Amino acid sequence: KNEVEQSPQNLTAQEGEFITINCSYSVGISALHWLQQHPGGGIVSLFMLSSGKKKHGRLIATINIQEKHSSLHITASHPRDSAVYICAVPTYQGAQKLVFGQGTRLTINP
Amino acid sequence: DVKVTQSSRYLVKRTGEKVFLECVQDMDHENMFWYRQDPGLGLRLIYFSYDVKMKEKGDIPEGYSVSREKKERFSLILESASTNQTSMYLCASSPWGLAGGPSKTQYFGPGTRLLVL
Repeated sequence: KNEVEQSPQNLTAQEGEFITINCSYSVGISALHWLQQHPGGGIVSLFMLSSGKKKHGRLIATINIQEKHSSLHITASHPRDSAVYICAVPTYQGAQKLVFGQGTRLTINP
Repeated sequence: DVKVTQSSRYLVKRTGEKVFLECVQDMDHENMFWYRQDPGLGLRLIYFSYDVKMKEKGDIPEGYSVSREKKERFSLILESASTNQTSMYLCASSPWGLAGGPSKTQYFGPGTRLLVL
């Protein structure tokens, strides 16, 4: 079964800083998910990626399949980016069920 | 837009009560999931359903059961609530994925915060 490690667990930064959150997993996969959870609980999917890089606004996600590693970057961070960011991968190659990292709590101070 | 709704945002129950948590999705998704989320433990899968009346146990099914009589509705049942079931419960749905193919994006409900006294 796949295992997921995220780092850091907590991250505090100043507005405008470049943010990087890392995710490593143990079993080869075909897709990796990045999710965002704001205070109050709602979870939204940010990215699903299987290779290379994806960009949405100030958010960029990259994945290296060979190294079993993904990063989520936020450029020009803003206080509204404050949230928990969660990485998820299939429990095994080809599964629809996901296993989740513990999340990275990001706080952006004005 | 996909919409996943859960029957309650907050729920307070007594130990030993039977508790029903309901989840409804409006996008005709085949897959539905029940998770619980606890500080430091992340999201853990309780049960998964891939079709009407079909279910699979997740990582922590003990003390829970599920029901899926209609495609759009997936219910989580706590047969006899205990204090260690105090948690945030999240429902999600996703479209059917080809066996062996990439996992599909999951769409989450707002969550139910359950307190068992």
